[in-house]
Amino acid sequence: QQPVQSPQAVILREGEDAVINCSSSKALYSVHWYRQKHGEAPVFLMILLKGGEQMRHEKISASFNEKKQQSSLYLTASQLSYSGTYFCGLARFGDKLIFGTGTRLQVFP
Amino acid sequence: SAVISQKPSRDICQRGTSLTIQCQVDSQVTMMFWYRQQPGQSLTLIATANQGSEATYESGFVIDKFPISRPNLTFSTLTVSNMSPEDSSIYLCSVYSNTEAFFGQGTRLTVV
Repeated sequence: QQPVQSPQAVILREGEDAVINCSSSKALYSVHWYRQKHGEAPVFLMILLKGGEQMRHEKISASFNEKKQQSSLYLTASQLSYSGTYFCGLARFGDKLIFGTGTRLQVFP
Repeated sequence: SAVISQKPSRDICQRGTSLTIQCQVDSQVTMMFWYRQQPGQSLTLIATANQGSEATYESGFVIDKFPISRPNLTFSTLTVSNMSPEDSSIYLCSVYSNTEAFFGQGTRLTVV
């Protein structure tokens, strides 16, 4: 089953914060986060492993709630370069990666 | 890290024909993955290609429509057979390296 992301779309002004959620009906082992810009391939942001710590990539961080089978991506003080579509991906180690429904983020000056 | 060369980058094909997409990786990998991304949508896994064995297909995808070859640990092909306009999409190959997924640049297919 495909993970469900919310919201589907976010519009921000530079400097504003946003949270993107990823929910799964299956138990999570690891959660990936990717950003895809228009016409480009997805780019890896971070991975969260079961039992691991909250990860951080510049001003983007993520958390992993095993009980709720949910992960959240936190974008702080957004920049124009943050615009794109964000996907979570669920996988077991060395196994196939199943991507979430996606969240489109637009940051304006 | 892994660098993936995928080709062609785009093609326009007549319905009823077939197109073969190639992916070359700069290192040996056990599994390669093929995804389809329809306009404005997420990435949908088509199949997992293992060297030396048949590909494993996801629900909704069949070998007759999307035959895959994996002759060695650095190369794979995906063929889109008997194409229809509904096959118009972006096709991406992907590999894992140290828990991170890397992607080819994608093949933008338009079927007319």
